[in-house]
Amino acid sequence: SQQGEEDPQALSIQEGENATMNCSYKTSINNLQWYRQNSGRGLVHLILIRSNEREKHSGRLRVTLDTSKKSSSLLITASRAADTASYFCATGPRVDSSYKLIFGSGTRLLVRP
Amino acid sequence: ETGVTQTPRHLVMGMTNKKSLKCEQHLGHNAMYWYKQSAKKPLELMFVYSLEERVENNSVPSRFSPECPNSSHLFLHLHTLQPEDSALYLCASSRRASDTQYFGPGTRLTVL
Repeated sequence: SQQGEEDPQALSIQEGENATMNCSYKTSINNLQWYRQNSGRGLVHLILIRSNEREKHSGRLRVTLDTSKKSSSLLITASRAADTASYFCATGPRVDSSYKLIFGSGTRLLVRP
Repeated sequence: ETGVTQTPRHLVMGMTNKKSLKCEQHLGHNAMYWYKQSAKKPLELMFVYSLEERVENNSVPSRFSPECPNSSHLFLHLHTLQPEDSALYLCASSRRASDTQYFGPGTRLTVL
């Protein structure tokens, strides 16, 4: 079954508004990562939060992690048209030797100018 | 630029052709990955190499054949592909297991 599932699948907001995307997962994790992908391009790493962390900030990004609920959220504040992209969460399983990151289906964000 | 390059960026091939995708990372990472991204489907991990040794092979058909000659280069050899293999093929690298992955720009493959 899919490890990371983002919600909503698509989000359309006005420039300047905040965007919140959620991710749920099923098994124990070592870390959770958020990536961004512009149409037809490679993924770009945004932020990594470890299982013993609850919140992390990077510029206009704020990520929270609730391991009891097996969920994470990505908040983009004061959105810009350039933030238009797909956003994916990816979970690193709690197996030290595992290289596998499990990606969700992504949230497509549209920021209208 | 992420430090991971992929060539070609676009590839159109017939079902009887043989082609190869190339990935190169300039980050000194130990692990390299091939992913397949199809429309409206989650990113699918195909292969993982760690220190030039294959450590993951996710039930990928044998018409896809990876090769990792050294820790900086990764190839995906393609032969007798099917139209449903048309997708964006992404290469990534990381320093170690479960670490941040750095992606290349991808190769858009179309199989006619």
